[in-house]
Amino acid sequence: AQSVAQPEDQVNVAEGNPLTVKCTYSVSGNPYLFWYVQYPNRGLQFLLKYITGDNLVKGSYGFEAEFNKSQTSFHLKKPSALVSDSALYFCAVRDFYGGATNKLIFGTGTLLAVQP
Amino acid sequence: DSGVTQTPKHLITATGQRVTLRCSPRSGDLSVYWYQQSLDQGLQFLIQYYNGEERAKGNILERFSAQQFPDLHSELNLSSLELGDSALYFCASSVEDNRNQPQHFGDGTRLSIL
Repeated sequence: AQSVAQPEDQVNVAEGNPLTVKCTYSVSGNPYLFWYVQYPNRGLQFLLKYITGDNLVKGSYGFEAEFNKSQTSFHLKKPSALVSDSALYFCAVRDFYGGATNKLIFGTGTLLAVQP
Repeated sequence: DSGVTQTPKHLITATGQRVTLRCSPRSGDLSVYWYQQSLDQGLQFLIQYYNGEERAKGNILERFSAQQFPDLHSELNLSSLELGDSALYFCASSVEDNRNQPQHFGDGTRLSIL
């Protein structure tokens, strides 16, 4: 079965510093990986995806993610954190339900807190 | 704004009752997904519809059911409600049932069972 793990419940970083939110995956076959962000009382917003191609994927709001097949990781990164980046971040993988669906399996989420 | 509309935003009801949550997908999106978000279970996939037909089922209880109508809006029906059903229920939509397309989420319906 497909799964993703987010080993950190919370990540704290100072504004202006680089940030990394970790995600590892377990899939059979090629992974289809996504990052979403959730602000308080809002739905999930799509940040970026990895389907195939370059291991460094660029997304919205200056975020990027690095796909590493040998380490089965898909870490989310940003060179310079903003206070407004503080939110809950979810890593997700597409579940190959008989190949007929696009449903997502989500990690447990990582709360990012950026201090001014 | 994702373009996915969910109503109502909040719902408070009692155990044993039945409620209906509504979702209007983004214009042009044929696939609708329902997810439940709770503190103990996290984000769990419930069910997917594609152009009116059920496509996939996840951890959806037998007391829950859903449908997608010809105009592509979807409803999630929750019956015989229990305290443990209190959660945020999200609807998402995508252009088609295609692995490359991201899902776009609504702001959710917060269900509180008293």
